[in-house]
Amino acid sequence: QKEVEQNSGPLSVPEGAIASLNCTYSDRVSQSFFWYRQYSGKSPELIMSIYSNGDKEDGRFTAQLNKASQYVSLLIRDSQPSDSATYLCAVQSGGSYIPTFGRGTSLIVHP
Amino acid sequence: GAGVSQSPSNKVTEKGKDVELRCDPISGHTALYWYRQSLGQGLEFLIYFQGNSAPDKSGLPSDRFSAERTGGSVSTLTIQRTQQEDSAVYLCASSLVLAGSEQYFGPGTRLTVT
Repeated sequence: QKEVEQNSGPLSVPEGAIASLNCTYSDRVSQSFFWYRQYSGKSPELIMSIYSNGDKEDGRFTAQLNKASQYVSLLIRDSQPSDSATYLCAVQSGGSYIPTFGRGTSLIVHP
Repeated sequence: GAGVSQSPSNKVTEKGKDVELRCDPISGHTALYWYRQSLGQGLEFLIYFQGNSAPDKSGLPSDRFSAERTGGSVSTLTIQRTQQEDSAVYLCASSLVLAGSEQYFGPGTRLTVT
């Protein structure tokens, strides 16, 4: 059973701070990793993907992948109240066409 | 360009009725996925298509659920004899290819079975 674990939160950070969201996965042969943002009552929106170990930056977002430790994280710099949402981690193995989604971490950015 | 579209956005139906949900993927995306999300719950995978083919239907909750895709584009998810536990948001996503490709979600269809 492939598992993707996320702390449900809520993670509360002040405006302007760095929010750090973490995700661990069980399948060692996972190859593709995705972060989605889901506002309440809305559908998931892709933030970024990462496929190789290390960091990948896109604007205020940085995804970090460590395959040896089987975790992927998302850093949000200069957090804004508009970043308040649930963040979903998704992992896809090389041998599967079905990504496994975590339950998501609720982030609250307070002014 | 246009994103994934779904219709209807909301559907209220009586228990026992059949419903049909539609998904129009991003043009050129060969892969299409259906998920279900109940209130406060995670995403539940239902089925995926590569082109018009659905190789794995094991995610469908029961034989009341079926799905098809035609012309490598539009997909319909049909729920027969709806039950109250079918109430959820049904999400469609498309991706360029199946393996390791980013998925883009539609706005979803909120289904309420009364």
